[in-house]
Amino acid sequence: KNEVEQSPQNLTAQEGEFITINCSYSVGISALHWLQQHPGGGIVSLFMLSSGKKKHGRLIATINIQEKHSSLHITASHPRDSAVYICAVRGGGSEKLVFGKGTKLTVNP
Amino acid sequence: DTGVSQNPRHKITKRGQNVTFRCDPISEHNRLYWYRQTLGQGPEFLTYFQNEAQLEKSRLLSDRFSAERPKGSFSTLEIQRTEQGDSAMYLCASRRDSPNTIYFGEGSWLTVV
Repeated sequence: KNEVEQSPQNLTAQEGEFITINCSYSVGISALHWLQQHPGGGIVSLFMLSSGKKKHGRLIATINIQEKHSSLHITASHPRDSAVYICAVRGGGSEKLVFGKGTKLTVNP
Repeated sequence: DTGVSQNPRHKITKRGQNVTFRCDPISEHNRLYWYRQTLGQGPEFLTYFQNEAQLEKSRLLSDRFSAERPKGSFSTLEIQRTEQGDSAMYLCASRRDSPNTIYFGEGSWLTVV
């Protein structure tokens, strides 16, 4: 079992829909990252969380430390949101990030 | 801020050859990371530098792999005697102590034929 599990693996939505991507992890962490990866490889950091909730534009990220679970929400989705969204965690005492396999999001016009 | 720069972006090499990738982090970023990503998978940690010191290494970093960051600025990742299983994208990332937003390069794609 991977230390970081994401669901769903693939998600197709219509423009304007509300999107939720889930991440569960099995180890104690010091931080959780949500990242966006476009075709060709570039990865962009969206959020870093250690507790609570963060919002940036149409993106919202939440984390529940007790339940070892985080969600990424996209409101009013747009075709330009189409990308792979990756959850990654950093354990205490280590600098390495452990990544989930990613969720491929396709938003159709 | 020119971003994290990686070179070359693409490399095709014959099995058994050596390859070297370079990463130029964002200036003043003292922490630098190397990850490897294969198709359909999330990146896997290879190694971490704080300034010039290599502080963490993954078991994935076999004897054929070596990474350096001699002056605490750019870093190189060398793969000796490449194997087909080394075909992957090699990602470099950097950050400063605070804020600890991490920045990734575009990656270096390696194909071993």
